[in-house]
Amino acid sequence: DTGVSQDPRHKITKRGQNVTFRCDPISEHNRLYWYRQTLGQGPEFLTYFQNEAQLEKSRLLSDRFSAERPKGSFSTLEIQRTEQGDSAMYLCASSGTANSPLHFGNGTRLTVT
Amino acid sequence: AQSVTQPDIHITVSEGASLELRCNYSYGATPYLFWYVQSPGQGLQLLLKYFSGDTLVQGIKGFEAEFKRSQSSFNLRKPSVHWSDAAEYFCAVGEWTNAGKSTFGDGTTLTVKP
Repeated sequence: DTGVSQDPRHKITKRGQNVTFRCDPISEHNRLYWYRQTLGQGPEFLTYFQNEAQLEKSRLLSDRFSAERPKGSFSTLEIQRTEQGDSAMYLCASSGTANSPLHFGNGTRLTVT
Repeated sequence: AQSVTQPDIHITVSEGASLELRCNYSYGATPYLFWYVQSPGQGLQLLLKYFSGDTLVQGIKGFEAEFKRSQSSFNLRKPSVHWSDAAEYFCAVGEWTNAGKSTFGDGTTLTVKP
């Protein structure tokens, strides 16, 4: 169990630029989740995949956000035309079954200037 | 819609003292309940979980939590706090069909005095 890994750990970008984050889940986990956490708040659900299928998206996920998990392994989260309000920690997590708890990565901290 | 309330934003306890962190939830069915801990700049680590059965659950690092359905609560306890327990603690409720789709409280920051 090598854990969930996320890359990069930190990203600073200018408003209007596009950014992409990567998540590698625990290898035997078929469920992968993206959450967003802002300062002083708990994580908020964005979207989740079962294998390569994206099964649910939160209303928080605007049209500028897109997530993929092309082969059911790693996932990417892209934000287009970033805004200052996108500044947050983006957390990826994985789990093995429907009633399993989440295993989180260390997150990608995005700062939009 | 499900929700989680952690009434205490910040708690300070002395090392060796007991600890209780409060969590109240709202969910229309039998909940999956979790407590996670987060150190600065890190992801969240699972402390313990409740799915069904015994309402007193044991977790890692000496933590325990008690599920009280009548009070919609799932409070976290530890009999003797260590300095390394200083962190932020999050309570979460997971959906019955998809526990990983969880709603989190806003967290309680624990400070431990020497």
